[in-house]
Amino acid sequence: KNEVEQSPQNLTAQEGEFITINCSYSVGISALHWLQQHPGGGIVSLFMLSSGKKKHGRLIATINIQEKHSSLHITASHPRDSAVYICAVNGNQFYFGTGTSLTVIP
Amino acid sequence: KAGVTQTPRYLIKTRGQQVTLSCSPISGHRSVSWYQQTPGQGLQFLFEYFSETQRNKGNFPGRFSGRQFSNSRSEMNVSTLELGDSALYLCASSGRLAEQETQYFGPGTRLLVL
Repeated sequence: KNEVEQSPQNLTAQEGEFITINCSYSVGISALHWLQQHPGGGIVSLFMLSSGKKKHGRLIATINIQEKHSSLHITASHPRDSAVYICAVNGNQFYFGTGTSLTVIP
Repeated sequence: KAGVTQTPRYLIKTRGQQVTLSCSPISGHRSVSWYQQTPGQGLQFLFEYFSETQRNKGNFPGRFSGRQFSNSRSEMNVSTLELGDSALYLCASSGRLAEQETQYFGPGTRLLVL
C-alpha cells in the first residue's frame, strides 16, 4: 500500500504545452512538498504547501486538503523542465510518491 | 551561503562492512534529514535530527543509525552492509523542523555494496 500515489508515471510533452502532474495521499499530513530531481540525482524543493495554491514563475502547485489531492502545473513547458517530479508528504514521517518522469521535446 | 555538502560522494564497500556518511547542513540550519533512494523503492525517509536529537525515524532496521553534532553536522552509519543497501543517500537541511520549512538537499552519496 502506497501512502502517496502520483500520476502519470511518465509524461512526454511538446515545448510550450501546459502540464499537470497529480498526487493523492492517504495519510493525515501537516504539509506536502513537490520536489524536482534532475539526472545525476540533485533534488530541489519546488514547493511546500499546507493549503491553497502557490506560484513560482511558470510553476503552480495546488492542494485540496479535504480531497487529499495536490497538483503541480507547468505552464509554457520548456526542455529544461525535463526532470523527475516527486510528491512528498509530512505524515507521522515523510512519505514519497514514485515520481513522474517528464520529458519536454523542443 | 554554501549549500548542503555530503561526503564522500561515491563509495564502494563489500558485504558485512560498515560505512559512515557525513552531511554538513547550510550554516544556521538545525534540522538534518536523511533519505535513501533506490530504483526499486524510490525515496524513503531514514531519520531526522534537530538540535542533536533524533526527532523522527523511518522504517529501517537498526543497522541504520545516525547522530548530529553540536555544530549541526550529521553522520549516518550503516553496519553489516547488505547488497540491498546500495543506493543514493541524500541529506537535507532546514532552519526549523523539516515539516515546518522547505528543505535543501545535498548532492548525495552514492554507495555501492559488492
